[in-house]
This record gives sequence, structure tokens and C-alpha cells, in this order.
Amino acid sequence: QVQLQESGPGLVKPSQTLSLTCTVSGGSISSGDYYWSWIRQHPGKGLEWIGYIYYSGSTYYNPSLKSRLSISVDTSKNQFSLNLRSVTAADTAVYYCARQLGYSYGYGLDYWGQGTLVTVSS
Amino acid sequence: EIVMTQSPATLSVSPGERATLSCRASQSVSSNLAWYQQKPGQAPRLLIYGASTRATGIPARFSGSGSGTEFTLTISSLQSEDFAVYYCQQYNNWRTFGQGTKVEVK
Repeated sequence: QVQLQESGPGLVKPSQTLSLTCTVSGGSISSGDYYWSWIRQHPGKGLEWIGYIYYSGSTYYNPSLKSRLSISVDTSKNQFSLNLRSVTAADTAVYYCARQLGYSYGYGLDYWGQGTLVTVSS
Repeated sequence: EIVMTQSPATLSVSPGERATLSCRASQSVSSNLAWYQQKPGQAPRLLIYGASTRATGIPARFSGSGSGTEFTLTISSLQSEDFAVYYCQQYNNWRTFGQGTKVEVK
């Protein structure tokens, strides 16, 4: 059974960088069948797809976040990471990592982490 | 950006009844449409992709239809575990979600 777990600070100051890591267990992040995604949910609101990465390092970013965003992968640790620069209160959200299927399965997100709340505040 | 609009915002349904949820795209997304279910305090769960294909393990009472800009998720006979928020999501041009429809007990 694949499991994903987010980790990182729950509080980030405005203008600083939000950094989160997702650790994958029960499966290899190097499997060519999947991509690895970050999604966020603002408190009490809907979902926003942040971006995703393939094990080779190829990245795909939300155009609205692209200028502040970087996603990386460490296959030796079976982890992938999110860095979001110059954060504001609008970046306060629950951040999820998830496994993403290929196009044949609608790029669906079939396994998710439990989510971690990140608050941007001084 | 493709905007996804779901209606109604809240749907009140009795257990055993049918629920019909709508999703409209601001431009055509072909059949590149998925549905997710989210319960309080949990991550979303993939229900449908390709507008009408059930994901692995999803009961047959869930069905999706539509193409282009108009889509529907139908739950044929609501069970207690189906009361939740449902999101549509397009993947034709990047990915965007609708704002959700909450299905509550009538």
C-alpha cells in the first residue's frame, strides 16, 4: 500500500520561502508509471493544483505560481519537495502531496498524503 | 485559465434518493474531466476520470456523463457514506477545480 507523508514548517513568515517534503513509502518514486503532485486547499475553500514532477526531474507548474515555484525529486530518499518563494497570507492553506496517474487514467490523483496546514504570518 | 462552475452549491438529499450534480466549463475541455469526493478532515478521493470512467474501487452507483462544457455526476442511491463535498476538475488545459457541491442529508 502506497503511503505519502508531508513534512515541513507549519508557520512561515511573509516574504520567506515555504518548503515542504513528501516522503513516499510502499512504492518507488522512480516508477515510470506515475507523476508526483502538490495540491493545496485554502481554508474552507476549493482545491488548487500547484504542480507535479516526474522521477526524471521534469516539472510542470501552475502558470499562476510558476514564477515563485520549484519542485524537485530525490529518488535516493524516495522523496519530492516543494519550494514556494515570497509567500503572503494568500498562500496559507493545507498542502497535500499525491501520486498522479498518467493520461490514460485522467492524470487522476489516486494516493494522497494526509495534508499539512501551512500558515503564513509574522 | 479554464473556470469550472459547479451547481448547486449545496444539495439536500435523503438517503436512498438520487443526486445529480452539475459542472460547467468556461470553454470546451473535451472529455478531460474528473470528479473527486472529499469528506471533512480527509484528502479528496478520485471517483471518475475521462468524464465517465469510474476509478478503481468506486461503486457503480457513481456515474459521470457529458463532454465539451457540460458535465454531470449522478449518485443513483445515496448511501450514508456519500454525504460529502464533490469537486469536478478539468485536465484539458493545465488543471482547475470547481468550487465544489456539498451533498447533505435532507
